[in-house]
Amino acid sequence: GNSVTQMEGPVTLSEEAFLTINCTYTATGYPSLFWYVQYPGEGLQLLLKATKADDKGSNKGFEATYRKETTSFHLEKGSVQVSDSAVYFCALSDLGPGVQGAQKLVFGQGTRLTINP
Amino acid sequence: DAGVTQSPTHLIKTRGQQVTLRCSPKSGHDTVSWYQQALGQGPQFIFQYYEEEERQRGNFPDRFSGHQFPNYSSELNVNALLLGDSALYLCASRLQGYNEQFFGPGTRLTVL
Repeated sequence: GNSVTQMEGPVTLSEEAFLTINCTYTATGYPSLFWYVQYPGEGLQLLLKATKADDKGSNKGFEATYRKETTSFHLEKGSVQVSDSAVYFCALSDLGPGVQGAQKLVFGQGTRLTINP
Repeated sequence: DAGVTQSPTHLIKTRGQQVTLRCSPKSGHDTVSWYQQALGQGPQFIFQYYEEEERQRGNFPDRFSGHQFPNYSSELNVNALLLGDSALYLCASRLQGYNEQFFGPGTRLTVL
């Protein structure tokens, strides 16, 4: 079945450092790809998405490019802030067998990011 | 515009009991999915409801059941609770035909 693999955490950086969180996926067909962020004690918030190969999703200084040839969707940010400390999840949208529109999200295990001032 | 809401926020049960969790989707959304997030893990898909029917189900036992009401709100029921059912239960909603899902804050279930 479809799956998502994220780089192992936790990741600790200093403020203003460059961030990369690796994400690779295994899928049949052409799934949409997502990055979600989860702050302590909260649910998931959509950070960015890409729906087809070579699309670049971006939001709040974060970017990720849908690379079909390497089956990757790495998250990057040029200069992180303390407020970026959270858990980041890479996910793909899996259409599922038989039923049009019955999409589910398949998540990676998450990467905990801590930014020190 | 209200987002996805869930109740209760926290819940403590004992093994063997039954629990019902509730979700109201974002305004205008008609499709509701439930996910289980164990501590330190990514969310796992339980099932999805559309037009008051279960459309797809993940790898969860029949102890997990659900319902969707005509106003699109949904319930997740878990029978015969096990210690391993302790997790954050997340509800997500979307509009049919669109793949962007919006998540609620979750219900933290603790089974003792």
